Amino acid sequence: DTAVSQTPKYLVTQMGNDKSIKCEQNLGHDTMYWYKQDSKKFLKIMFSYNNKELIINETVPNRFSPKSPDKAHLNLHINSLELGDSAVYFCASSLHMTYEQYFGPGTRLTVT
Amino acid sequence: AQTVTQSQPEMSVQEAETVTLSCTYDTSESDYYLFWYKQPPSRQMILVIRQEAYKQQNATENRFSVNFQKAAKSFSLKISDSQLGDAAMYFCAYRPGNNDMRFGAGTRLTVKP
Repeated sequence: DTAVSQTPKYLVTQMGNDKSIKCEQNLGHDTMYWYKQDSKKFLKIMFSYNNKELIINETVPNRFSPKSPDKAHLNLHINSLELGDSAVYFCASSLHMTYEQYFGPGTRLTVT
Repeated sequence: AQTVTQSQPEMSVQEAETVTLSCTYDTSESDYYLFWYKQPPSRQMILVIRQEAYKQQNATENRFSVNFQKAAKSFSLKISDSQLGDAAMYFCAYRPGNNDMRFGAGTRLTVKP
């Protein structure tokens, strides 16, 4: 069984569109995260949620919004997509904030 | 300022040999956690090993071990008996207390048959 899953794995869309990436974890973890990995493989945290509370919010454009319908899900919504949003987006989860994080397979977003 | 530094963008090792990947970090915290993650071409991020700063003993996981030097703020990863499947990007990560995790820029490891 997949521990952290993301859909879709690939997403190609045009500038200006609005898209969502879904993430689900079946590990019973209480904290979930979104990361962006750029073309140089650099990983940067975007958001994290603990018990449905946003606890970290890096300097990410407000076009990006995380939504957590329940403890097992943290979806990423992106409005008015731009070329620079093209990257691989990873969802992750951890049992507590200090524990190791388990990553989803990543979603490669391409904006044309 | 870069919190986690991996000074080797690329490394190469012969199959069955040993290789060490370097990582240094900058912190004023006394309580933190360190991790090594592996990202093969499949792009899946896989946890390799974890070290708590309060533990003096170096963590080991089968062929993977770390050399944790707290005073020097160094956390290197040693891979013994390298296998072709070890070829991947390796990321060092640092997490202070309840704060967010910071990743290094990664080291691409090539394993030669």
